[in-house]
Parts: sequence; structure tokens; C-alpha cells
Amino acid sequence: GENVEQHPSTLSVQEGDSAVIKCTYSDSASNYFPWYKQELGKGPQLIIDIRSNVGEKKDQRIAVTLNKTAKHFSLHITETQPEDSAVYFCAADYSSASKIIFGSGTRLSIRP
Amino acid sequence: DAGITQSPRHKVTETGTPVTLRCHQTENHRYMYWYRQDPGHGLRLIHYSYGVKDTDKGEVSDGYSVSRSKTEDFLLTLESATSSQTSVYFCAISEGQGLDTQYFGPGTRLTVL
Repeated sequence: GENVEQHPSTLSVQEGDSAVIKCTYSDSASNYFPWYKQELGKGPQLIIDIRSNVGEKKDQRIAVTLNKTAKHFSLHITETQPEDSAVYFCAADYSSASKIIFGSGTRLSIRP
Repeated sequence: DAGITQSPRHKVTETGTPVTLRCHQTENHRYMYWYRQDPGHGLRLIHYSYGVKDTDKGEVSDGYSVSRSKTEDFLLTLESATSSQTSVYFCAISEGQGLDTQYFGPGTRLTVL
């Protein structure tokens, strides 16, 4: 069925180090994979997305990689800073159902 | 929050009472969505709308109804609130479906006692 699994559920890294969050999806027809960042008390905000015609996309310190064969995609944050502390959600589209399915979220904490 | 407002932002109600949450957008986007967010479950789709008076169910639609009489407004109604509906509710909008980015509102925290 339609499912997106996200790991880990919590992640703590030293400031300046890199953080990696991984997601797997079940629908081979998925073509759109957004990542959202949610700060406390706010709604999720899109930080980066990738479509199935590319394998990697980068925006400053944030990058996303996609492996369609293995049906998994990952978020990479380099040179982490305190303001990166938040909950991150991955998602995948299920066009046959006209919707996006979200992962369960990763709480990222940056240690000073 | 991309021209999206939700009201109320916080509500406490009692079991069995009706509750209506409102989402208002100024972006003129065609698609609007209602999600609920619970610990360990991420965001789960309740209902969505693909135009005025056009709505469809999501994965957790039981106990909820929606209405969209104008492009800018999407209402979520709990006909008879239950404690299991205590959650944070988010509205989202997108220009199209599937491959189009969804933009989220600030959320409504609902507590059913």
C-alpha cells in the first residue's frame, strides 16, 4: 500500500557536523519528493524537493538524493547550525490517488 | 505561511459538541487540504478539495466533513467531537495536484475533553 518510512525518528548532531535523514517509499510510480521543516508551533515549510528525472539536488547547505531503483531518498544537511534544530518530514506523491504521503518525521537537535 | 490563515488557532471543546475549523487563502490556489498531525504519525490527510464544491476523502476521513463554497475558504467540521480527534490540524494549498508543492498554514490546536 501507500507508505513512506522515515528514519531516524530522532537525531542529535554536534554543531558543524552533517546530518542525514533517510526515507523509503512503496509506490514505484512516485515522481515528486518534497522535504519539509517544521519549527515549534508552526506549520511545515518546504525546504527542498526533487523530481524523479534527477538523482540529486543541492541548495546551499541542504541536498537531497534520490535512488528510484531502490525507492529511497535522503536529506543531507552540512555544517549544521543551531537554527537547523526542528522536525523534518519527507513525503512522496501518489499521483494515482492525487495525494502526497508524509513520513512520520525526524526531530533533529543540534548540540552546541 | 504563503497567504494561508487558520481560525481559530486554539480551541478546547467537550465531547459530543460540533466544531468547525476554517482555512482561508489569498493565493487563489485550486487545491486545498486538511491534515491532522499526531505524535508518531506525521501528517495524515483528512479531506481535500480540487475546486469549489469538489471534495474527496483522505486516509482518515471518518468523523469529519468538509465544505468549500468559495475558492478561498475550506471548512473542516467535526459533527460530534471525540477525544480521539484531539490533534493539531493543518490546512494546505497547492496550485495543482501530485507534483505541485503544498504550502501549509500555521495550524489549529484542538483539544476535546
